[in-house]
Amino acid sequence: DAGVTQSPTHLIKTRGQHVTLRCSPISGHKSVSWYQQVLGQGPQFIFQYYEKEERGRGNFPDRFSARQFPNYSSELNVNALLLGDSALYLCASSLEGGRGLGLGTQYFGPGTRLTVL
Amino acid sequence: TQLLEQSPQFLSIQEGENLTVYCNSSSVFSSLQWYRQEPGEGPVLLVTVVTGGEVKKLKRLTFQFGDARKDSSLHITAAQPGDTGLYLCAGALLSYALNFGKGTSLLVTP
Repeated sequence: DAGVTQSPTHLIKTRGQHVTLRCSPISGHKSVSWYQQVLGQGPQFIFQYYEKEERGRGNFPDRFSARQFPNYSSELNVNALLLGDSALYLCASSLEGGRGLGLGTQYFGPGTRLTVL
Repeated sequence: TQLLEQSPQFLSIQEGENLTVYCNSSSVFSSLQWYRQEPGEGPVLLVTVVTGGEVKKLKRLTFQFGDARKDSSLHITAAQPGDTGLYLCAGALLSYALNFGKGTSLLVTP
């Protein structure tokens, strides 16, 4: 069975540009979460979506936005890129995620390595 | 402020040695998870500990959850080069997000 897939694998952008990262969850999973992992740090939570609704948002500026599609895939958008946005962006999917149902086991994709020059 | 503090940050040992990695917090977690991450890959779940005092074994890896559910440890017996990687502990204080520690980078040399 296919795991969580993310595209692209690597991406190089310049300051001020916009980027869109994509994620396809494991088949049957309705919850998708996004995390940012800066070199030498653990992943930091950005967003969680369940059944196309945003369930949670981390401490990230409004330049970061996301959405989930009817097929449960998701996009993470980052506007006005800064050098500090350079990181590995991880997508995780899970079966659970509905209100009051807890987080469930998170399965992570391989990530998208974003470099901002 | 990091909710979960991991120590040591780096560990370099020789094959066959034993090691312990610690994950500490001032917060109480309903569960803690341990992940292993290799370069260029996403984290892979190793184990979830739920009950205070719980001990789980996964081959040469032993995971323990503190009685107060604020801390956890990972012990590896007879480490092998294949154990090399970044070990992350994580817990959920909110229902929708995992809080990760900074990780322990382990290098096992033959």
